[in-house]
Amino acid sequence: DTAVSQTPKYLVTQMGNDKSIKCEQNLGHDTMYWYKQDSKKFLKIMFSYNNKELIINETVPNRFSPKSPDKAHLNLHINSLELGDSAVYFCASSQTSGRVNEQFFGPGTRLTVL
Amino acid sequence: DAKTTQPPSMDCAEGRAANLPCNHSTISGNEYVYWYRQIHSQGPQYIIHGLKNNETNEMASLIITEDRKSSTLILPHATLRDTAVYYCIVRVLQGAQKLVFGQGTRLTINP
Repeated sequence: DTAVSQTPKYLVTQMGNDKSIKCEQNLGHDTMYWYKQDSKKFLKIMFSYNNKELIINETVPNRFSPKSPDKAHLNLHINSLELGDSAVYFCASSQTSGRVNEQFFGPGTRLTVL
Repeated sequence: DAKTTQPPSMDCAEGRAANLPCNHSTISGNEYVYWYRQIHSQGPQYIIHGLKNNETNEMASLIITEDRKSSTLILPHATLRDTAVYYCIVRVLQGAQKLVFGQGTRLTINP
């Protein structure tokens, strides 16, 4: 069974459109994250939710809005897409009280804005 | 900014031990050393972590110097499937800590 899943895997869209990426984890973790990996392959944190509450919000344009309907889901909505939003977006989850507290990553969503 | 420094690339022959160094000279007393790897186009994968003692699991060994300012990840018998970018990250154990990824080391295992 997939631990952290993301949909869609690929997303191609036009500038100016609004799109959403969904993430689900079946590990029972209490915290979920969104990371962005740009064309230069740098991975950077965007957001983190702990028990449905936003706890990490890096310097991200407010066109990006995360939503966590429950502990197992963290979605990312992006308004007015721009060329620079093209990247791979990774969702991750962790159990922050665990002995290891490692983050489990999803397979990524490759977003291409034309 | 990442608190670690790693060589940008390394090569290793298949079947040999791959030793990946990492410098973290500003590590705090309560920070652990974590290693992740990212195989081409996949999400990063946790490998191992440690505080000050050497650690070993089914994937790798982690050797941390006594002053904790550097560490080495050892893949004892590298295979072609170990070709990946390896990231050394320092962070505290508990809490929703963001992972701050540096450039990592691109390890290529050659047949």
